[in-house]
Amino acid sequence: EAGVVQSPRYKIIEKKQPVAFWCNPISGHNTLYWYRQNLGQGPELLIRYENEEAVDDSQLPKDRFSAERLKGVDSTLKIQPAELGDSAVYLCASSFQENTEAFFGQGTRLTVV
Amino acid sequence: AQTVTQSQPEMSVQEAETVTLSCTYDTSESNYYLFWYKQPPSRQMILVIRQEAYKQQNATENRFSVNFQKAAKSFSLKISDSQLGDTAMYFCAFMKKDSNYQLIWGAGTKLIIKP
Repeated sequence: EAGVVQSPRYKIIEKKQPVAFWCNPISGHNTLYWYRQNLGQGPELLIRYENEEAVDDSQLPKDRFSAERLKGVDSTLKIQPAELGDSAVYLCASSFQENTEAFFGQGTRLTVV
Repeated sequence: AQTVTQSQPEMSVQEAETVTLSCTYDTSESNYYLFWYKQPPSRQMILVIRQEAYKQQNATENRFSVNFQKAAKSFSLKISDSQLGDTAMYFCAFMKKDSNYQLIWGAGTKLIIKP
């Protein structure tokens, strides 16, 4: 069974440019998470979806970040415009339902120059 | 607010040795879960072991075991017979029960297994 798939693995962009990350969760998992992980730190939750509904986006910087999960399966996370401080690894995770183990993808390493 | 502290930024041991990674946490909750995650260079976060706070027995998964001291709010991870593939970042995480898997993470410990 395929795990959580994220693309791209790496992305380098200039500041002020837009960027998007894509996540395909494990089949049947209705809970999806986006995390940001800065170098030398643990992950920080950005947004959590239950099916297509964003149920917790309190940590998402809404002035420049947006996310969607239109059909309750794949999800995209977008940053527009990107800033130097957005350089980080963006991790996606999914779980079958709330309070069950979350499985993580390999993340996208974003470098903003 | 809950916090998780990992006081060892980096550790290294020889292959086949036993190593213990430290984690302390602060919470006023009585019902919660604690986790150790492994993040190898591939960046994928992998669950190593999970402990439920109401269980007194320490969790064990093959070569991985924990020493859970609830009163001291300590949750250390012991890796026995360490292998080269154990080289990774290890994160301790806390989750309040019924919090919809909202994890509070420590800063991580970089573990290097030397041949």
